[in-house]
Amino acid sequence: SQQGEEDPQALSIQEGENATMNCSYKTSINNLQWYRQNSGRGLVHLILIRSNEREKHSGRLRVTLDTSKKSSSLLITASRAADTASYFCATAPIWGNNRLAFGKGNQVVVIP
Amino acid sequence: DARVTQTPRHKVTEMGQEVTMRCQPILGHNTVFWYRQTMMQGLELLAYFRNRAPLDDSGMPKDRFSAEMPDATLATLKIQPSEPRDSAVYFCASGLVGGDRVGNQPQHFGDGTRLSIL
Repeated sequence: SQQGEEDPQALSIQEGENATMNCSYKTSINNLQWYRQNSGRGLVHLILIRSNEREKHSGRLRVTLDTSKKSSSLLITASRAADTASYFCATAPIWGNNRLAFGKGNQVVVIP
Repeated sequence: DARVTQTPRHKVTEMGQEVTMRCQPILGHNTVFWYRQTMMQGLELLAYFRNRAPLDDSGMPKDRFSAEMPDATLATLKIQPSEPRDSAVYFCASGLVGGDRVGNQPQHFGDGTRLSIL
């Protein structure tokens, strides 16, 4: 099944810096979603971007989608220690049963 | 805020024992998902239900796993008999999905059941 693949897989930054993560996928999608997972907790939905959208914002988060390159990026601006978490992209393919396929995740550590 | 509730949060048991995990989805959500998360495989979809009816359980080992929704407020995932390779974190998620396109809406996850089979 199709899965998103995040890059880089681990990122360590200073508080206040921006963090950028990328996700690549292989087939045509209906939408792409980003989730955050704090240690020992469940995934929390951050943003859903549809295939006809190119950019979406939510607070300090900015997501872009390039369907021609089959890639997406998640930018966290002015990072905080509380942003320390794993970030997953998930893709919903156009065909078949449309189930979400999750990537392996990016681990982001924000150093206070 | 409405939340998905999972019990127990942790479970340690011996190989061969029956394990039952429970999930209370968000009230009003019509679709419930069961996932398994391991370091090696990441997050895998085991099964999902729409309006309490099983729609897809192709991700589940059929011989030992079973999933049910006895009512709209309770979903269960059972393993019998359990094996060490079943050790993982099991997540339940719920969502409000229209039509058959289960991937077109956000999913809301519980905090999982961390299962260790000795």
